[in-house]
Amino acid sequence: AQTVTQSQPEMSVQEAETVTLSCTYDTSESDYYLFWYKQPPSRQMILVIRQEAYKQQNATENRFSVNFQKAAKSFSLKISDSQLGDAAMYFCAYRSADSNYQLIWGAGTKLIIKP
Amino acid sequence: ETGVTQTPRHLVMGMTNKKSLKCEQHLGHNAMYWYKQSAKKPLELMFVYNFKEQTENNSVPSRFSPECPNSSHLFLHLHTLQPEDSALYLCASSQGWTGPNTEAFFGQGTRLTVV
Repeated sequence: AQTVTQSQPEMSVQEAETVTLSCTYDTSESDYYLFWYKQPPSRQMILVIRQEAYKQQNATENRFSVNFQKAAKSFSLKISDSQLGDAAMYFCAYRSADSNYQLIWGAGTKLIIKP
Repeated sequence: ETGVTQTPRHLVMGMTNKKSLKCEQHLGHNAMYWYKQSAKKPLELMFVYNFKEQTENNSVPSRFSPECPNSSHLFLHLHTLQPEDSALYLCASSQGWTGPNTEAFFGQGTRLTVV
């Protein structure tokens, strides 16, 4: 069975600095999708970025980028120029490409932005 | 406007009460989901409906009873709950059930407290 591990329960970063959130996963599959979701205090889960395992190029979305290391089964999220609005819980999630929709979630990392 | 609306936002109920959670999506999606989010634990998928048909039931106790009258509405009926059922209940929807574009859109959740 697939598992997703986020080893950092909490991270803090100074405003305007860069922070990296870690995520590792375990799977025997070769084709899958990886996601980072953000959950601010409003509680709504928002998709931040998505990576398809068959694509070698790391996904980027404005200030958010990932470092996808398929062999190491690592999928870290880098947030550049951190802003106060980035403060939230961040969840890493995995989904198999060839089965029905089933997201496997990590336990989350709380990101604190220091002004 | 998030596209996925959940009511109520907060609910406190006794163990002998019967209540219902409501979810409505305005995105034209065909699949809808109930998740349970407990503190410091990964999200747990409870139920999945695709085109109004239940396709997943992840060993959820019978005191949780889902209902999907159409593709836009999803209910979670609650009765004789236990204090350990206190959690954030998140509803989500996606365009399809399988394939690369099954990105999930979430509502803001119902914070449930069982007393």
